[in-house]
Amino acid sequence: GEDVEQSLFLSVREGDSSVINCTYTDSSSTYLYWYKQEPGAGLQLLTYIFSNMDMKQDQRLTVLLNKKDKHLSLRIADTQTGDSAIYFCAESKAGGFKTIFGAGTRLFVKA
Amino acid sequence: DGGITQSPKYLFRKEGQNVTLSCEQNLNHDAMYWYRQDPGQGLRLIYYSQIVNDFQKGDIAEGYSVSREKKESFPLTVTSAQKNPTAFYLCASSIPLRTGRNTEAFFGQGTRLTVV
Repeated sequence: GEDVEQSLFLSVREGDSSVINCTYTDSSSTYLYWYKQEPGAGLQLLTYIFSNMDMKQDQRLTVLLNKKDKHLSLRIADTQTGDSAIYFCAESKAGGFKTIFGAGTRLFVKA
Repeated sequence: DGGITQSPKYLFRKEGQNVTLSCEQNLNHDAMYWYRQDPGQGLRLIYYSQIVNDFQKGDIAEGYSVSREKKESFPLTVTSAQKNPTAFYLCASSIPLRTGRNTEAFFGQGTRLTVV
């Protein structure tokens, strides 16, 4: 079946690194995404990784993919208060008809 | 600027009323989606459309209806049959997943529906 799971909350101090984890069940997933949602707004794509990649880095963001364990993580370096938001992990696959979203991880950044 | 626009931002409905949420995109995307978001929960798919004049039920379609008469527009009607409609509704669009290419979804800013 299709399922994406994330922990619901993460709290870090400003300047520390944040690591948000996600597990998924569909081994045929093609693309895996991280979206950010700020209060009262829609989701914005942060980054994505293709399933044949292990890692992708984009400025302060690092995505790690462990296909064997079906585990995806998002590391935010030097976390700022503006990073406080809900982060959603999502997956889609070629030939599929919908993207599956996790429940979202709420990141709190303490000054 | 290309984007996806939802209106209104806030909507109040009396019990027993039908209401329609608007979603318009100028990204030339074939696929459009409606999601419902409840506090502490992820996004649940209500309906999706991969092409004009075609749409399919998602995971929680009961009490909702849609139409897709134009590529740019995918309105969602919340009917009186939806027993718990108070939620945040998000519309999204993308290229069709079946293309096998990156199918990043672009989201609107959402409509918060409250039953009064």
